[in-house]
Amino acid sequence: KAGVTQTPRYLIKTRGQQVTLSCSPISGHRSVSWYQQTPGQGLQFLFEYFSETQRNKGNFPGRFSGRQFSNSRSEMNVSTLELGDSALYLCASSPGGGRAGNEQFFGPGTRLTVL
Amino acid sequence: GEDVEQSLFLSVREGDSSVINCTYTDSSSTYLYWYKQEPGAGLQLLTYIFSNMDMKQDQRLTVLLNKKDKHLSLRIADTQTGDSAIYFCAESIPGGSYIPTFGRGTSLIVHP
Repeated sequence: KAGVTQTPRYLIKTRGQQVTLSCSPISGHRSVSWYQQTPGQGLQFLFEYFSETQRNKGNFPGRFSGRQFSNSRSEMNVSTLELGDSALYLCASSPGGGRAGNEQFFGPGTRLTVL
Repeated sequence: GEDVEQSLFLSVREGDSSVINCTYTDSSSTYLYWYKQEPGAGLQLLTYIFSNMDMKQDQRLTVLLNKKDKHLSLRIADTQTGDSAIYFCAESIPGGSYIPTFGRGTSLIVHP
């Protein structure tokens, strides 16, 4: 099975712009989660989508949004970029279904730099 | 609430054993995970253990769980330079959101 893929791998934007990141989960996985990773804050949960619905949400402002398509692919969007949004954005997929032990499989991440 | 803590750095000599420690706060039944992140890459699941287990072994990896102290450890036997990475401990709670809560990660440096 192919792993989780994320595009693009690297992105440079300027403050005030918006950005869309894409994630393709492992075939058959219905849950996609997004995380922001920074040296200062570590790994922080953004949101999780399951069957095209946002099922869980972290503590991020409304500038961060996402969606999931019927084929389980997911996108996240950040509007009005700030310097502090520079981070590695990780996507993780799992079979979903809400079972504990539903380990997540991570993609390589998208490195976003905001200038 | 959930909180997972790890020490930030560990340095070991090649061939020695590495022990990475983690503490968590929620005493509910949990799944506890160890992930590895190599430079420039995403997180790779190494192993996980359910809270009704005390130990799990998988080749060079041994996970020990002390439920009383809410302490989890990952032992890597015969540590190699390729084991240099950041190791994340995470927990998730059945009946909750199932979204793992991650520690800050421990940077393991293996030197010759």
